[in-house]
Amino acid sequence: QVQLQESGPGLVNPSETLSLTCTVSAYSFSSNYYWDWIRQPPGKGLEWIGNIYHSGSTYYNPSLKSRVTISLDTSKNQFSLKLSSVTAADTAVYYCARGTKWKVPSTYYYYYYLDVWGKGTTVTVSS
Amino acid sequence: EIVLTQSPGTLSSSPGERATLSCRASQTISSSQLAWYQQKPGQAPRLLMYGASRRATGIPDRFSGSGSGTDFTLTISRLEPEDFAVYYCQQYGSSLLTFGGGTKVEIK
Repeated sequence: QVQLQESGPGLVNPSETLSLTCTVSAYSFSSNYYWDWIRQPPGKGLEWIGNIYHSGSTYYNPSLKSRVTISLDTSKNQFSLKLSSVTAADTAVYYCARGTKWKVPSTYYYYYYLDVWGKGTTVTVSS
Repeated sequence: EIVLTQSPGTLSSSPGERATLSCRASQTISSSQLAWYQQKPGQAPRLLMYGASRRATGIPDRFSGSGSGTDFTLTISRLEPEDFAVYYCQQYGSSLLTFGGGTKVEIK
């Protein structure tokens, strides 16, 4: 079954760029799934960062859009997150997840849910 | 942006009791757009429900979801010890996702 694993530095200096990778095992990127990043500051709720489709199309949280880049490397079965100009407010557990989207029959609505998650990786922004 | 407001913030209940969690959207959404997750301390969230009322694979039938328009509910018919956790609702619209602030279900 598909598994996701986040990796990257646990400590990032303020004003620098946070870079994380999610490795997807037992799966190919050729099918119709989205690949999402979500974060959770200490003691707080979940915040969606953005996602990427297998075609390479990306969608970002408007509040983070100016600082976020999500990319896909199908040859390595990985997708990545870059968040620039980080501050202490970006300290969080970062999760990668698989997004499943499918059309509700006979409507123009879609289901969308995150059905497989990585275990998360803690990133602290501090000098 | 659609804002999801969950209530109560904390629900104190005993094993065997019924728990009712609310998720209210700032504007009307399709029930297909609404999902629920459970998160235990130190763990990633787990998908419980999608399409407001469809249970994800492996989710026991004591969990049920309902609602339409702006008001959605997650019900746990009889709380088991493993159900004490934080629950989040999530909506998908215009290619963007938002989460509610969460409801913590704690042991009374």
